[in-house]
Amino acid sequence: GAVVSQHPSWVICKSGTSVKIECRSLDFQATTMFWYRQFPKQSLMLMATSNEGSKATYEQGVEKDKFLINHASLTLSTLTVTSAHPEDSSFYICSAKSGTSGSRDTQYFGPGTRLTVL
Amino acid sequence: AQSVSQHNHHVILSEAASLELGCNYSYGGTVNLFWYVQYPGQHLQLLLKYFSGDPLVKGIKGFEAEFIKSKFSFNLRKPSVQWSDTAEYFCAASDGGGYNKLIFGAGTRLAVHP
Repeated sequence: GAVVSQHPSWVICKSGTSVKIECRSLDFQATTMFWYRQFPKQSLMLMATSNEGSKATYEQGVEKDKFLINHASLTLSTLTVTSAHPEDSSFYICSAKSGTSGSRDTQYFGPGTRLTVL
Repeated sequence: AQSVSQHNHHVILSEAASLELGCNYSYGGTVNLFWYVQYPGQHLQLLLKYFSGDPLVKGIKGFEAEFIKSKFSFNLRKPSVQWSDTAEYFCAASDGGGYNKLIFGAGTRLAVHP
């Protein structure tokens, strides 16, 4: 099956620094990638949707300048948490899809990145 | 507003017991429905999905789900669980009209005891 990787799997940083998380589709070209955030014991919340070569579409309430998303190629999307603060500590998960059938395309999920901001 | 709700947050079963996890959705128009599983330390995996047609959907690992439109439900079932089914299960929905956005339920943590 399709494989999506994330790097790093966990990161600890100081408050005020920026952190970049990578999401890669290893064996398929991802036309669309999604970034989710998962709080402890809660569900996944979609943060943004990115299509290769175009600007990401952010969900309501998600700060575009805080969470920078770049989808520079069909196999790589990055999420940069800028000027991170302790409240940004969370589990960030990406997913990717390759089809063109819209909502019927299967999304393949990465293993997630745990961010801890001190 | 679009939403997905899972009523059981924690379920504990013995091996060979039957499983049913509830999922209800609130969507206008057509809807696509999914069940994902997350085994400890692993990423989300698709168990099954429903787009249209036969409301009884069979997935991997012996799981099935039934779409009941009148009840806005898409419950997940397995007749006999195994210890290896211990995981967290997420119901999700997307707009059947074509928009990709997946909305997830809160998840149900299943523990199966040998």
